[in-house]
Amino acid sequence: DAGVTQSPTHLIKTRGQQVTLRCSPKSGHDTVSWYQQALGQGPQFIFQYYEEEERQRGNFPDRFSGHQFPNYSSELNVNALLLGDSALYLCASSSRTGAYEQYFGPGTRLTVT
Amino acid sequence: AQTVTQSQPEMSVQEAETVTLSCTYDTSESDYYLFWYKQPPSRQMILVIRQEAYKQQNATENRFSVNFQKAAKSFSLKISDSQLGDAAMYFCAYRSAITGNQFYFGTGTSLTVIP
Repeated sequence: DAGVTQSPTHLIKTRGQQVTLRCSPKSGHDTVSWYQQALGQGPQFIFQYYEEEERQRGNFPDRFSGHQFPNYSSELNVNALLLGDSALYLCASSSRTGAYEQYFGPGTRLTVT
Repeated sequence: AQTVTQSQPEMSVQEAETVTLSCTYDTSESDYYLFWYKQPPSRQMILVIRQEAYKQQNATENRFSVNFQKAAKSFSLKISDSQLGDAAMYFCAYRSAITGNQFYFGTGTSLTVIP
């Protein structure tokens, strides 16, 4: 049973650029949430997708956007990158009809220079 | 918004001993879920234990148990017979049963296990 997968593992970008991160949920899950984890901090909720729509959003600017595909996989896009966007980006999947816990992927480490 | 507080940035324990990690939370809701996640240096967040607020009985998973005090809004994690592999960051998390699937995390406690 494949768990949550994310790609790429690491990414280095320059200020002002755009980045796309990808996530495939755990088998049987239909909901994907994205979190930003700055160094030494706990994860902060960015947004959640199910049925291919953004359903809930945390306190993040519009530069952060996402998408969910019919196979439940998801992308996180960040435009006009800032140095402060450097962080570990975690994807978590869950099932709307199943248990309430979320399962996390290994994350993508984004460095903005 | 709900807040989760972990007041111990770092903790250490001797191998085979017991350690307790603290967590408090603030909410006006009566129905919610609480979690402890472990994040080793590999970065993957691993679910350790979960507790439903409507259950009075404290959750237990092998060497891991919680002390859930709903009135005090406290949710501590006890690790018994600590092992070297328990060394990691531990995060306490809250999820409403009413207002959505967003998880609120604390700032974490770094646990060191001393051989």
